[in-house]
Amino acid sequence: DTGVSQNPRHKITKRGQNVTFRCDPISEHNRLYWYRQTLGQGPEFLTYFQNEAQLEKSRLLSDRFSAERPKGSFSTLEIQRTEQGDSAMYLCASRQLAGVVTGELFFGEGSRLTVL
Amino acid sequence: AQSVTQPDIHITVSEGASLELRCNYSYGATPYLFWYVQSPGQGLQLLLKYFSGDTLVQGIKGFEAEFKRSQSSFNLRKPSVHWSDAAEYFCAVVLASGGSYIPTFGRGTSLIVHP
Repeated sequence: DTGVSQNPRHKITKRGQNVTFRCDPISEHNRLYWYRQTLGQGPEFLTYFQNEAQLEKSRLLSDRFSAERPKGSFSTLEIQRTEQGDSAMYLCASRQLAGVVTGELFFGEGSRLTVL
Repeated sequence: AQSVTQPDIHITVSEGASLELRCNYSYGATPYLFWYVQSPGQGLQLLLKYFSGDTLVQGIKGFEAEFKRSQSSFNLRKPSVHWSDAAEYFCAVVLASGGSYIPTFGRGTSLIVHP
């Protein structure tokens, strides 16, 4: 069990550029979640997947945000035409549905985005 | 509207003192309840959880929490705080329904520990 891995850990970009974050969940976990965390706030849900199916995407912050999990393993979160307000920590988490189900989410260390 | 409230943004305690962090929720039914801790530069780590049964649950690092249905609360406690407990603490709730399972987090309480 290598845990949830997120890359890159830090990304600095200029306004208007596109950025992509990658998340590798714990291998046997079916569900994968994306959250955004801004300074002084708790994680805010964005979207989640069960295997390759995106179960909820209405809470993505705008149509500039998109996520996919094409083979049901790793996932990517893309932000197009970044704005300064997109600066935040983007958290990925995964959850197991089969076997011993504990109900908890396992979080990665996050990808911090700074938009200049 | 469904919500999770952590009324204390910051809490300061002396090392060795007891601690209680508050969490209240507003849901139509009893949700699943969690406490997570986040140290600087780290991901969120689960401290404990409540699904059903005994309303006093024990977690890691000497933490416990008590579910009180009448107060819609799930407060986190520790009898003696250590300097290493300084971190951000998040309460989370899940109202699992129709196959949906989306944890909602409170805004967090920052714990400061004085020597």
